[in-house]
Amino acid sequence: AQTVTQSQPEMSVQEAETVTLSCTYDTSESDYYLFWYKQPPSRQMILVIRQEAYKQQNATENRFSVNFQKAAKSFSLKISDSQLGDAAMYFCAYTTQGGSEKLVFGKGTKLTVNP
Amino acid sequence: DAGVTQSPTHLIKTRGQQVTLRCSPKSGHDTVSWYQQALGQGPQFIFQYYEEEERQRGNFPDRFSGHQFPNYSSELNVNALLLGDSALYLCASSFFSGITDTQYFGPGTRLTVL
Repeated sequence: AQTVTQSQPEMSVQEAETVTLSCTYDTSESDYYLFWYKQPPSRQMILVIRQEAYKQQNATENRFSVNFQKAAKSFSLKISDSQLGDAAMYFCAYTTQGGSEKLVFGKGTKLTVNP
Repeated sequence: DAGVTQSPTHLIKTRGQQVTLRCSPKSGHDTVSWYQQALGQGPQFIFQYYEEEERQRGNFPDRFSGHQFPNYSSELNVNALLLGDSALYLCASSFFSGITDTQYFGPGTRLTVL
């Protein structure tokens, strides 16, 4: 069974600094998709970034980028120039093939941004 | 463009009761997935509906059932509620292209079972 592990229950960062959130996963599939979702106190799960496993290039969305290491089954999220609005729970998720397959989530990392 | 909507926002029930939660997908989406998120945990997949049929199911008992309507909206029904069913229930929608679709989530329904 596929599993997703987030080893950092909590992280903190100073405003304007950079922080990296870790995620590892276990799968025997060769084609899959990885996601980072953000869940602020408002509860709505918001897509931050997605990575297709067949793409070697790391995905980037503005201040958010990933370090995807397929052989190591690692998928970390880097947030640059952290802002107060980045404070939230961050969940790493995995799915096979197309994104309509079920998502398997990690337990999340709570990110605090200090002014 | 309306996103995924869910109703109600909050719900309080007692053990043994039945509950129905509702979800309207994002415009243009035809697939609805339901997740249960216990406090302090990541979401767990319950089931997914496509073309009005259950397409996939997670490890949840038969007390959890669902339905999808011709307009792609969906309901989640839970019978014989247990205290352990207290959780945030999230609905996610996507367009089933099989390749590049991403699931977009609604704001969730907080269910409390007393």
